[in-house]
Amino acid sequence: DAMVIQNPRYQVTQFGKPVTLSCSQTLNHNVMYWYQQKSSQAPKLLFHYYDKDFNNEADTPDNFQSRRPNTSFCFLDIRSPGLGDAAMYLCATSRVTSNQPQHFGDGTRLSIL
Amino acid sequence: GENVEQHPSTLSVQEGDSAVIKCTYSDSASNYFPWYKQELGKGPQLIIDIRSNVGEKKDQRIAVTLNKTAKHFSLHITETQPEDSAVYFCAAGGGADGLTFGKGTHLIIQP
Repeated sequence: DAMVIQNPRYQVTQFGKPVTLSCSQTLNHNVMYWYQQKSSQAPKLLFHYYDKDFNNEADTPDNFQSRRPNTSFCFLDIRSPGLGDAAMYLCATSRVTSNQPQHFGDGTRLSIL
Repeated sequence: GENVEQHPSTLSVQEGDSAVIKCTYSDSASNYFPWYKQELGKGPQLIIDIRSNVGEKKDQRIAVTLNKTAKHFSLHITETQPEDSAVYFCAAGGGADGLTFGKGTHLIIQP
């Protein structure tokens, strides 16, 4: 059974039109992460939540926001998607941030028209 | 911050042969080193990990070695099979910043 679930698997949006990606987990983990992965590249961390504490990576554009309304759900909001934001977006969870495995969902592939 | 280098970027081996992927890291404070396998259209899946108090760990055909002094760690896959074909990522971490990933190795198993 999938433990980190991302919806939708594929998302198409228009240039500049806000889009929201969702992630849910059944592991009851404290930490939830959002990564951006472009073709043939490593996942790049955008931000993470430790419980309700939000931690933004220094180079994450302001265009990317996140919400975590409860332990199980986390959302990635892209306020005004540009062509360069087309990528796979991966959600992951871990019990704590250090020394623990991260469990990934299968991602949402975002296309920008 | 942490920097992880991974080599090679592409590795092609004959089915049944062994495959070795190597990574180096820069931050001596890192103490957790997982390896992920990513198949096309899927998220990375943890296949093995090692912590800095251990030099080697094995799980069936997969093993990982860690040299803390030299700051490098390696993934070894023996008796490779077609289903081993995928992209493999190493990562290093241990602090509050989570994991830093290598750039990945595309492993191709030739029949």
